[in-house]
Amino acid sequence: AQSVTQPDIHITVSEGASLELRCNYSYGATPYLFWYVQSPGQGLQLLLKYFSGDTLVQGIKGFEAEFKRSQSSFNLRKPSVHWSDAAEYFCAVGAAQAGTALIFGKGTTLSVSS
Amino acid sequence: DAGVIQSPRHEVTEMGQEVTLRCKPISGHDYLFWYRQTMMRGLELLIYFNNNVPIDDSGMPEDRFSAKMPNASFSTLKIQPSEPRDSAVYFCASSSGFRVFTDTQYFGPGTRLTVL
Repeated sequence: AQSVTQPDIHITVSEGASLELRCNYSYGATPYLFWYVQSPGQGLQLLLKYFSGDTLVQGIKGFEAEFKRSQSSFNLRKPSVHWSDAAEYFCAVGAAQAGTALIFGKGTTLSVSS
Repeated sequence: DAGVIQSPRHEVTEMGQEVTLRCKPISGHDYLFWYRQTMMRGLELLIYFNNNVPIDDSGMPEDRFSAKMPNASFSTLKIQPSEPRDSAVYFCASSSGFRVFTDTQYFGPGTRLTVL
C-alpha cells in the first residue's frame, strides 16, 4: 500500500541553524514527491516537487529536497533557518495518473528558537 | 486573486447540530477538493468536484457528510448530525486540473470545527 511516513512529529531548531526534515515513502511505481508547508492559520503551500531528473530539487523560500531511491526517502533541507520558517511541513506522494489523489504524511511541526 | 476562501474559520457546535462549511475556489479553477485534517489520520481527501460535478466521494466518512457545488464559485460541506469525532480542520482546495505533478492545488486557510 502507498504510504508516507514522517518520523519526527516535532523538531526545534535554533535560528540560523541547518534543518533536515525526514520523509520516507512506500510506493509501487516511480513516485511523484512533494513537500508542502502550512503556516499557522494558513492553508498548505507547495514548497517543491520531484519526479525525475536531478535528485536534488530546489524549491521556494530557500528549501531543497533530495530524492534517494535506495532509501525510499525525500528529505527536506534548509541551510539556515529563519524564525518565519516555523510551521508544519507535510511530505506527500502521488501518481502520474490523472484523478489520483496525493497521499500525505502526518506532518512535522517545526519550532524555531532564538 | 484572493485565493481560496473558506468560511467560517472557526466553528464550535454541539453534538447533533448541523454544520455547514463554505468554500469559494479560485476563479477559473475547474477542480475543487475537500480535505479533513486530524491528528490521528493526517490529511485525507473527502471528495472532489470537476466542473461542479462530484467525481469521487469515496473519502466521505459516512452518510452524515454531504457536499454540493451549485456553481463554479461556491461549494459547501455539510455534516448532519455532527458528532465529537468530526472535530477536525477542514480544508478546501482548487486547481485547474487533477494531475498532481502539473496541476498545483491551492489550499484555503481551513475551518477548524469543534463538536462538543
